[in-house]
Amino acid sequence: GQQVMQIPQYQHVQEGEDFTTYCNSSTTLSNIQWYKQRPGGHPVFLIQLVKSGEVKKQKRLTFQFGEAKKNSSLHITATQTTDVGTYFCAVKGGTSYGKLTFGQGTILTVHP
Amino acid sequence: DGGITQSPKYLFRKEGQNVTLSCEQNLNHDAMYWYRQDPGQGLRLIYYSQIVNDFQKGDIAEGYSVSREKKESFPLTVTSAQKNPTAFYLCASSIEGWGNQPQHFGDGTRLSIL
Repeated sequence: GQQVMQIPQYQHVQEGEDFTTYCNSSTTLSNIQWYKQRPGGHPVFLIQLVKSGEVKKQKRLTFQFGEAKKNSSLHITATQTTDVGTYFCAVKGGTSYGKLTFGQGTILTVHP
Repeated sequence: DGGITQSPKYLFRKEGQNVTLSCEQNLNHDAMYWYRQDPGQGLRLIYYSQIVNDFQKGDIAEGYSVSREKKESFPLTVTSAQKNPTAFYLCASSIEGWGNQPQHFGDGTRLSIL
């Protein structure tokens, strides 16, 4: 089945520092979605990327899809304590027939 | 108010017992999904249904069963064959089942062994 690796697994930052998580696949992806799960909560959809080289921004969050459509990144500028949680990528490969494969997630801790 | 409702929030299973987790959505979505989440790990797909009266095995279907008799309902049964059922179970739905639309999640059910 579809494989996806997400790194790092954990990230501790001081409030105000930047944060980046990466999602990598060995195969070309149809699209990639990003989700955020607050502690004790459920995943919430953030964004979907479809086009090669696509960059989308949501306030302090920047999402990027690689030129080869095999990797993606989520960058948060000047983290705040409200950014804490686990960030997941979810990918659809060419032969997934509708299934999304979730990465293991990056757990972000922000120290005030 | 549209959304996905999972019940119960907490569930305890005895040895040899089957238990059923409920998932209902009023979003009029065609597709529904069940995921298992273990501590510190990602979401693993158990079963999914792209349309009513049809469902497919996910990556970890052994020891689980589902039905999709109504568009709004997708119950998951954890059978006694599932030897390690303790986990957080999440139900999700999307407008269509081809992976091109966002998935909306319920609040989850935490299942533990007694």
